[in-house]
Amino acid sequence: DAGVTQSPTHLIKTRGQQVTLRCSPKSGHDTVSWYQQALGQGPQFIFQYYEEEERQRGNFPDRFSGHQFPNYSSELNVNALLLGDSALYLCASSHGTSLHEQFFGPGTRLTVL
Amino acid sequence: QQQVKQSPQSLIVQKGGISIINCAYENTAFDYFPWYQQFPGKGPALLIAIRPDVSEKKEGRFTISFNKSAKQFSLHIMDSQPGDSATYFCAATLNDYKLSFGAGTTVTVRA
Repeated sequence: DAGVTQSPTHLIKTRGQQVTLRCSPKSGHDTVSWYQQALGQGPQFIFQYYEEEERQRGNFPDRFSGHQFPNYSSELNVNALLLGDSALYLCASSHGTSLHEQFFGPGTRLTVL
Repeated sequence: QQQVKQSPQSLIVQKGGISIINCAYENTAFDYFPWYQQFPGKGPALLIAIRPDVSEKKEGRFTISFNKSAKQFSLHIMDSQPGDSATYFCAATLNDYKLSFGAGTTVTVRA
């Protein structure tokens, strides 16, 4: 049983560009949450998708947007990249919207130059 | 605004020793307090969790102690092993809303 998978593993972009990160949830899970983890910091909640809709959102600007597909996979889009967007982006899946039993993927390391 | 403050930033313990990580929270309405373990190159994994109506929870060598009046909770790793070397995060949430993480503690267990 595959766990949460994310792609790509690493990504390098320049300021002002746009990026799309992808996540496939663990089998049987229908909810995807996205987190940003800066170097040496704890993960920061970006948003959660359930039933193809954004259910919760953290304190992130509108440059961060997402989408969930009918197969429960999800994308995180970041527009107008800033140097400060450099971080590890984690996807976590769960069954239902509970944050109590989340399974995290290995993350996508985004570097903005 | 950081809602969960974690200390120390790092610690070194000898094999067989006890590792203690402390967290303090601001929001008295938080109702679920999990701890996560993260190895390099991996995402965090749920280790153990507690609700505020319980003062202590033990799972194997890992114990959470919870002090509601002081708004503090801690993780104790008993009989620390080299395989426990990882970064540990405390977290808190209210009604399953916006899980807030601490900054993390890097634990190094020396053989």
